[in-house]
Amino acid sequence: DVKVTQSSRYLVKRTGEKVFLECVQDMDHENMFWYRQDPGLGLRLIYFSYDVKMKEKGDIPEGYSVSREKKERFSLILESASTNQTSMYLCASSLLSRLSTDTQYFGPGTRLTVL
Amino acid sequence: GQNIDQPTEMTATEGAIVQINCTYQTSGFNGLFWYQQHAGEAPTFLSYNVLDGLEEKGRFSSFLSRSKGYSYLLLKELQMKDSASYLCAAPGAGSYQLTFGKGTKLSVIP
Repeated sequence: DVKVTQSSRYLVKRTGEKVFLECVQDMDHENMFWYRQDPGLGLRLIYFSYDVKMKEKGDIPEGYSVSREKKERFSLILESASTNQTSMYLCASSLLSRLSTDTQYFGPGTRLTVL
Repeated sequence: GQNIDQPTEMTATEGAIVQINCTYQTSGFNGLFWYQQHAGEAPTFLSYNVLDGLEEKGRFSSFLSRSKGYSYLLLKELQMKDSASYLCAAPGAGSYQLTFGKGTKLSVIP
């Protein structure tokens, strides 16, 4: 079974702090994704990566950056957290590179609250 | 890009059948996914349709009509544990991304 893990289930940070959200997958997947999920807005793609050190912006990249130094790990960074970044953050991975049709497997999510 | 629409909420009775619809407008088409998401949990894969027609998988079936830009998820013999949000998602042509609908929250009542 594919396993995608995220470093924290719940996180509380203060405005202006730098926040790191870590995601690890154990199935040698090429693609990794970061989404945020908000009531009434659904899942929105922040960034994705199709290979080590490669990244592409999704629909809402502003205020975020990412890092993929190893194939199994994809980090989401909030450079200076703001209250409007309070959300559920979901990481996902999929097997095939450059093919969006492959199934995405999701981690359990990190509920981030920025005070 | 993709534009995906699905109803916000539905309610159905235990043991009944429910159909959750999804319409999409695409710049290209490369299949359609359905995911299930229980409250507070991650989405989990249910089905993927790339050809027209109905695909059955136990109590759950998924239908696709590419000419109409329409899909539905059919849940039979509803159980209380089927109460969840159901997300419709489609990839863009030549894109790595999946675009998700906002989800349909299904409540199963006794």
